[in-house]
Amino acid sequence: EAGVTQSPTHLIKTRGQQATLRCSPISGHTSVYWYQQALGLGLQFLLWYDEGEERNRGNFPPRFSGRQFPNYSSELNVNALELEDSALYLCASNNHRDEQFFGPGTRLTVL
Amino acid sequence: QKEVEQDPGPLSVPEGAIVSLNCTYSNSAFQYFMWYRQYSRKGPELLMYTYSSGNKEDGRFTAQVDKSSKYISLFIRDSQPSDSATYLCAMSEGSGGYQKVTFGIGTKLQVIP
Repeated sequence: EAGVTQSPTHLIKTRGQQATLRCSPISGHTSVYWYQQALGLGLQFLLWYDEGEERNRGNFPPRFSGRQFPNYSSELNVNALELEDSALYLCASNNHRDEQFFGPGTRLTVL
Repeated sequence: QKEVEQDPGPLSVPEGAIVSLNCTYSNSAFQYFMWYRQYSRKGPELLMYTYSSGNKEDGRFTAQVDKSSKYISLFIRDSQPSDSATYLCAMSEGSGGYQKVTFGIGTKLQVIP
């Protein structure tokens, strides 16, 4: 069974630009979670999508947005990038028991 | 106060030692408890998943939940250098895919050969 996949692996942007990160959940999983893991801060919940709808949102500004497609893959968009947005962005999908399975992450560097 | 508290470490132990990793939480509605292992620059991988109070064993790993004290633990027996990683506790209020999972900050473990 293929795991959660994310692309790209690395992304380098400059301040003010926009970044788009992509995630494909495990086949059969309909929920996708996005997390930000900045150095020393742990996993911070960003967004949760299920069945194409945004179900919950963490304490992040509106320039962090996303969507979920009919095939349950998801996209995270970060507009007006700031230096502090540099982090590992993790996507996870979960089964019916809330066991979350993570992808390898996209490392975003903002210069 | 954070919902989930976890000592970030680092924790250094000699190979073969028993490791004890712990988390405390404040939300009494948490019912599902998980432990993840994260190697450097990788995504977390699920190690253990428990629902009720008590112990759950899987190989060298034992997860322990004490809901009355709001305290969970992960024990690693016969620790190996390959166990060197960051261990994150996580918990949620319910199941069914509609509950947000809250993570601890993670404890960095180093097992010295």
